[in-house]
Amino acid sequence: EAGVAQSPRYKIIEKRQSVAFWCNPISGHATLYWYQQILGQGPKLLIQFQNNGVVDDSQLPKDRFSAERLKGVDSTLKIQPAKLEDSAVYLCASSPRDRGISGANVLTFGAGSRLTVL
Amino acid sequence: DQQVKQNSPSLSVQEGRISILNCDYTNSMFDYFLWYKKYPAEGPTFLISISSIKDKNEDGRFTVFLNKSAKHLSLHIVPSQPGDSAVYFCAANQAGTALIFGKGTTLSVSS
Repeated sequence: EAGVAQSPRYKIIEKRQSVAFWCNPISGHATLYWYQQILGQGPKLLIQFQNNGVVDDSQLPKDRFSAERLKGVDSTLKIQPAKLEDSAVYLCASSPRDRGISGANVLTFGAGSRLTVL
Repeated sequence: DQQVKQNSPSLSVQEGRISILNCDYTNSMFDYFLWYKKYPAEGPTFLISISSIKDKNEDGRFTVFLNKSAKHLSLHIVPSQPGDSAVYFCAANQAGTALIFGKGTTLSVSS
């Protein structure tokens, strides 16, 4: 099966500019996640979608970050305006598990989009 | 508040020997624990998991041990191979929720 696709792989912008990342999850996966990984840290959840509804966006800095998942498939993560501390790898992941169903929640990750803010 | 902690940033092991990576957690409500492996410029890939009702799970060269009373788990790799050199992340969650990751441990296996 095809993996999780992300683009662009690399992006360099000036602070206060905007940027958008795109993710196409594994076909049929109901749940989609965006994680932020800062250098030297583990991935940190930004937002979780179940189909096209938001399940958890408690750690999303909503004054500058936004995300949507149209038609329950592709997703876009936007940052506007960007700050220096937003420099990180943005990882998209998907999983077939519905919320509440037991079993290990194995996420499949894309290769990530590396953002550098100057 | 870090719920999942990997206190060793790095580990160096010789080829053929055992690698032991450790992870501690604070949330007793976690149902599952997972290990992910990450190579540079790639996304994390799933390695092995364990349910909170088990104390051991084995898959080939990889074994995960869970000590619930100590809130501690470990990943054993035997024998270690140079291709195992990567960053290893410990993660945990309650059923159906997103994974919470530790900071990772960089494993270097020398030949």
